Amino acid sequence: DTEVTQTPKHLVMGMTNKKSLKCEQHMGHRAMYWYKQKAKKPPELMFVYSYEKLSINESVPSRFSPECPNSSLLNLHLHALQPEDSALYLCASSRRETVAGELFFGEGSRLTVL
Amino acid sequence: DQQVKQNSPSLSVQEGRISILNCDYTNSMFDYFLWYKKYPAEGPTFLISISSIKDKNEDGRFTVFLNKSAKHLSLHIVPSQPGDSAVYFCAASAHHAGGTSYGKLTFGQGTILTVHP
Repeated sequence: DTEVTQTPKHLVMGMTNKKSLKCEQHMGHRAMYWYKQKAKKPPELMFVYSYEKLSINESVPSRFSPECPNSSLLNLHLHALQPEDSALYLCASSRRETVAGELFFGEGSRLTVL
Repeated sequence: DQQVKQNSPSLSVQEGRISILNCDYTNSMFDYFLWYKKYPAEGPTFLISISSIKDKNEDGRFTVFLNKSAKHLSLHIVPSQPGDSAVYFCAASAHHAGGTSYGKLTFGQGTILTVHP
């Protein structure tokens, strides 16, 4: 099983809603990531979790709240988002975060904030 | 400040010919480079990588060349096939003191490759 599964694939929410994006991997990877990709732009790192602990927060606004309940799951809780937060949110995992190596990406969750 | 640049937004190639995708970087701390391929409605998939201690890495039809002095890398696809049509992202990471990269990849803007039958 070499998949990273993200749900939902599409999400439309209002600025006052609270929603969550979910990510799951069963490859035994100990590092998981959230990246954000705007249209015609490269993916940009948001958060890194290593061994279920947050190791990097790239100055992401607090309206995005990550959570890693266990080594296979990664959530991104969304609250009071702005229309400019509309983007493709990509989850990824890797064997560990300490050395460079390929990241395995999910298909992404396309978020639209109205 | 874009540290990884892919200056060609698109490239069109005939099937069977060579595709050459280019990438430039500015951060001299980058020491590991990767190429990802992305189809529409899918996440990026890893293609090939190269460490800064090498200048070439080959995997089947895909070869990556690294010129550290020029801070330039390129991906060669030979022969190109219609199924190679996708967006190709160059990415780079840096290992900090203690050996960790923190898993952070910096991506280029991507190049749309179209291979015509």
